[in-house]
Amino acid sequence: AQSVAQPEDQVNVAEGNPLTVKCTYSVSGNPYLFWYVQYPNRGLQFLLKYITGDNLVKGSYGFEAEFNKSQTSFHLKKPSALVSDSALYFCAVRDSFSGGYNKLIFGAGTRLAVHP
Amino acid sequence: SQTIHQWPATLVQPVGSPLSLECTVEGTSNPNLYWYRQAAGRGLQLLFYSVGIGQISSEVPQNLSASRPQDRQFILSSKKLLLSDSGFYLCAWTNRGPYTEAFFGQGTRLTVV
Repeated sequence: AQSVAQPEDQVNVAEGNPLTVKCTYSVSGNPYLFWYVQYPNRGLQFLLKYITGDNLVKGSYGFEAEFNKSQTSFHLKKPSALVSDSALYFCAVRDSFSGGYNKLIFGAGTRLAVHP
Repeated sequence: SQTIHQWPATLVQPVGSPLSLECTVEGTSNPNLYWYRQAAGRGLQLLFYSVGIGQISSEVPQNLSASRPQDRQFILSSKKLLLSDSGFYLCAWTNRGPYTEAFFGQGTRLTVV
């Protein structure tokens, strides 16, 4: 079955330190992977995606993600965390069997807390 | 540029009352449209999706229904709300291509009392 796992419910980081939010996936065929961020009582905002090509993908707000095919991972990273990065982060993969419907399979989310 | 509007932002409804949440997309045509529900501020559950006017697919049988009366309009409805319908409802759209990301509305916080 296709799935996305975010193994950490919460990640705590000190401001200025690097952050990593982990994501692993299981999908048939080539994976199309996405990261989203959600602030309280708001919709999800798209951060970045991996479709093909360079394994290091750069996105919005200084975030980047590294695609690792052998480990089936797509971890989100940022070199220097800001307090304003504190939010809920979702990893998603396109459902390979969704055809033209472009359905996404989401992980359970990881809450990032950046402390001053 | 494309924008997605979702309203209302918050809603408190009594058990047994009807529901209508509306979502519209601007700046694009023939979008795929989606309704999600998010419970307890965590995981997203896909409720309905649509690839065209009048075409609705349901992921999970439930007390809700969806309609797409116009190309860029998606409506989530219920005839009689249950307590378990409370949650955060999100509308989203994508383009038709396989590599496209989804864009989300701001969400509706529904509390059934």
